[in-house]
Amino acid sequence: LAKTTQPISMDSYEGQEVNITCSHNNIATNDYITWYQQFPSQGPRFIIQGYKTKVTNEVASLFIPADRKSSTLSLPRVSLSDTAVYYCLVGEDTGRRALTFGSGTRLQVQP
Amino acid sequence: ETGVTQTPRHLVMGMTNKKSLKCEQHLGHNAMYWYKQSAKKPLELMFVYSLEERVENNSVPSRFSPECPNSSHLFLHLHTLQPEDSALYLCASSQDRWGSNEKLFFGSGTQLSVL
Repeated sequence: LAKTTQPISMDSYEGQEVNITCSHNNIATNDYITWYQQFPSQGPRFIIQGYKTKVTNEVASLFIPADRKSSTLSLPRVSLSDTAVYYCLVGEDTGRRALTFGSGTRLQVQP
Repeated sequence: ETGVTQTPRHLVMGMTNKKSLKCEQHLGHNAMYWYKQSAKKPLELMFVYSLEERVENNSVPSRFSPECPNSSHLFLHLHTLQPEDSALYLCASSQDRWGSNEKLFFGSGTQLSVL
């Protein structure tokens, strides 16, 4: 199974760029990388998904190196409202691990 | 608004009560899921339904009984729960069950307290 590893927590200040890296050394050829955001007492929310190189949307960017053994979620100019837990999920053909959440990274944004 | 609605938002029940959690999705998805999130723990996948058929049951105690009458509705029937079952119960849906590029859409959850 392709296990993901993320930092347990990160701290930042408003206006800074935050980069959260996820390690997935055993990623398989057909695996996609998906990131979710979760606020307290709410369900996770899809942020971004990628397969290789770089993906950007209105919320974040996802950088995936050529070997795909890691990925970095980049949040530009964070605000207090970006304080949340961020999860990296790596799927497989069966879809099983696209459903399995780890402990995620708890991002705390300070004023 | 994610297109997945859960009710009730909060629920307090005694150990001898029977209650049901409801989930409805308006996204036209074919797969629906129940997750449990205990305090300061990762989300635990409980049940997976694909086209109204239960395809996964991750060793969940029988006091939790899911029901999927159609692809838009999912229920979780609760009976004789224990205090350790207190948690946030989340419903999610996705277009299909298979595929590593599936995106999950979650409801806001039901915060359950068992007294």
